[in-house]
Amino acid sequence: NAGVTQTPKFRVLKTGQSMTLLCAQDMNHEYMYWYRQDPGMGLRLIHYSVGEGTTAKGEVPDGYNVSRLKKQNFLLGLESAAPSQTSVYFCASSLPPDRVQPQHFGDGTRLSIL
Amino acid sequence: GQNIDQPTEMTATEGAIVQINCTYQTSGFNGLFWYQQHAGEAPTFLSYNVLDGLEEKGRFSSFLSRSKGYSYLLLKELQMKDSASYLCAVPDSNYQLIWGAGTKLIIKP
Repeated sequence: NAGVTQTPKFRVLKTGQSMTLLCAQDMNHEYMYWYRQDPGMGLRLIHYSVGEGTTAKGEVPDGYNVSRLKKQNFLLGLESAAPSQTSVYFCASSLPPDRVQPQHFGDGTRLSIL
Repeated sequence: GQNIDQPTEMTATEGAIVQINCTYQTSGFNGLFWYQQHAGEAPTFLSYNVLDGLEEKGRFSSFLSRSKGYSYLLLKELQMKDSASYLCAVPDSNYQLIWGAGTKLIIKP
């Protein structure tokens, strides 16, 4: 059972470089999320999507863009990476949360910006 | 606004019982989640409470008091594999989760 798959698992970038993180889920979930997790802080929502072709800003959207062209995929882009974006990034998916469904997480992408 | 507080770290002994507390402040209430996260791994769902009282699930139980804005996760018969961080989360008015910083639980033999 694949569940939620994130690629890559690790990446080192130089300041100013761009990259895209890919998230894929095979559970037919409508909702998908991108979080970042930093030491001593809770998971913080970057962007989320309530369905194919729709995205919305979360708590910390600045410096990131997202796209949801297919229901199963949710892409997170960094246009010009900054050291402050060094973090562990988690993707998650769920059924509509108003049914109070748990979120299912990928294994994370560890990103370092030098 | 919304705020969630958990202790940063707790230590317990293998075979013992530990209680991890979570206090929250929300403008509305749509339940409370507990997740487990082993070091270097993804968070995984443990429990959900929306009504007051205790929900038991094997060695793990979760308690909620809505009037006090308080929940706890109770772990019994601790095993070394229970060493992990435990995350408390509550949905905001848009049902997006607001997360506590997590409690790192260290189990000693």
